[in-house]
Amino acid sequence: GDSVTQMEGPVTLSEEAFLTINCTYTATGYPSLFWYVQYPGEGLQLLLKATKADDKGSNKGFEATYRKETTSFHLEKGSVQVSDSAVYFCALAGGFKTIFGAGTRLFVKA
Amino acid sequence: GAGVSQSPSNKVTEKGKDVELRCDPISGHTALYWYRQSLGQGLEFLIYFQGNSAPDKSGLPSDRFSAERTGGSVSTLTIQRTQQEDSAVYLCASIPSGSQETQYFGPGTRLLVL
Repeated sequence: GDSVTQMEGPVTLSEEAFLTINCTYTATGYPSLFWYVQYPGEGLQLLLKATKADDKGSNKGFEATYRKETTSFHLEKGSVQVSDSAVYFCALAGGFKTIFGAGTRLFVKA
Repeated sequence: GAGVSQSPSNKVTEKGKDVELRCDPISGHTALYWYRQSLGQGLEFLIYFQGNSAPDKSGLPSDRFSAERTGGSVSTLTIQRTQQEDSAVYLCASIPSGSQETQYFGPGTRLLVL
């Protein structure tokens, strides 16, 4: 069945460091791919998405490119801020079900 | 418009009691999902509704868990004879129609079974 694997956390970075959170997937068909974020004390919200191969999703300085050849959707940001500290979930939606990764907790130190 | 709402926000109960968790999706959203998030864990899919019917109940952990949706809107997740391992945050999400769309999450209900 479909699945999502993302790098385990926690990830701890200093402010202004480069961020990569790896995400790979297994799916039949052509799913849409998502990154959701959960800030401390808040609910999950969409960060960005891509609906087809080679699409790049972007929001708040974060980017991820839908790579069909490597079945990946890695999340990147060039310069993280303390306010980016949160849990990040990679997800795929194929059909009516969305499959979520286990989440990666990011801590950004000032 | 209003987002997804869930009630109660917190629930403390004794082992063996029944609990009901409520979800009000965004108006007009036809699909509704329930998930469970245990401490430090990812999202565990429980059940999915399209309208009032539940095509996929595969994630319900046991027959103590049930859910219904009425009027294509409000959904209730019921846990009977609660156990300590049921302690978690229960999340509800809705989407406008169906496949491959962004999910809109509620704030969750934090359940603690003593």
